[in-house]
Amino acid sequence: DGGITQSPKYLFRKEGQNVTLSCEQNLNHDAMYWYRQDPGQGLRLIYYSQIVNDFQKGDIAEGYSVSREKKESFPLTVTSAQKNPTAFYLCASSIDPAPYNEQFFGPGTRLTVL
Amino acid sequence: KQEVTQIPAALSVPEGENLVLNCSFTDSAIYNLQWFRQDPGKGLTSLLLIQSSQREQTSGRLNASLDKSSGRSTLYIAASQPGDSATYLCAASDSNYQLIWGAGTKLIIKP
Repeated sequence: DGGITQSPKYLFRKEGQNVTLSCEQNLNHDAMYWYRQDPGQGLRLIYYSQIVNDFQKGDIAEGYSVSREKKESFPLTVTSAQKNPTAFYLCASSIDPAPYNEQFFGPGTRLTVL
Repeated sequence: KQEVTQIPAALSVPEGENLVLNCSFTDSAIYNLQWFRQDPGKGLTSLLLIQSSQREQTSGRLNASLDKSSGRSTLYIAASQPGDSATYLCAASDSNYQLIWGAGTKLIIKP
């Protein structure tokens, strides 16, 4: 049963903590993406990866970091430098990064800062 | 820079009606336009993808059209049902391999 999984579903962070959001896909897709969703706004791209061991910053990369050591995994770390991290985080993948390809999404992680 | 707008932000219609959701974009140089559905607190489900060379795509009761010259796409839902209630998002794919997103239309179908 192919798809994208994200964990945890809910995450709570204290001020000054780093937290890592997991994203795994078994679709054999080369490209993976992290988006942030805030109420009343469109999704905004944080980071994307076109291939293993490569990633690029999106529009709002400050305060976030990623790694792509394996094709199926693209974890996102929200660092203490991210001043307003409370949001819904969505991971996506596509077969390759060509702009005409469909993106498939995971179920999301809701991060709340306490 | 590409901007994508969805108006209205919310829409409520009685069950059984046909309806149209709108998506506007400022730069006609898009590769494709995608429509997604999002249920509360959930991820996104892809509904339809229209390549730039296409004018429309259909899936069941859904039909999406694309008019690049006017910078518009519409999602037509026929014979609406309460289960269609969700937020509908459109996204345009630009030359930088990124999706540019609208803020979505929240649709409520009243039984």
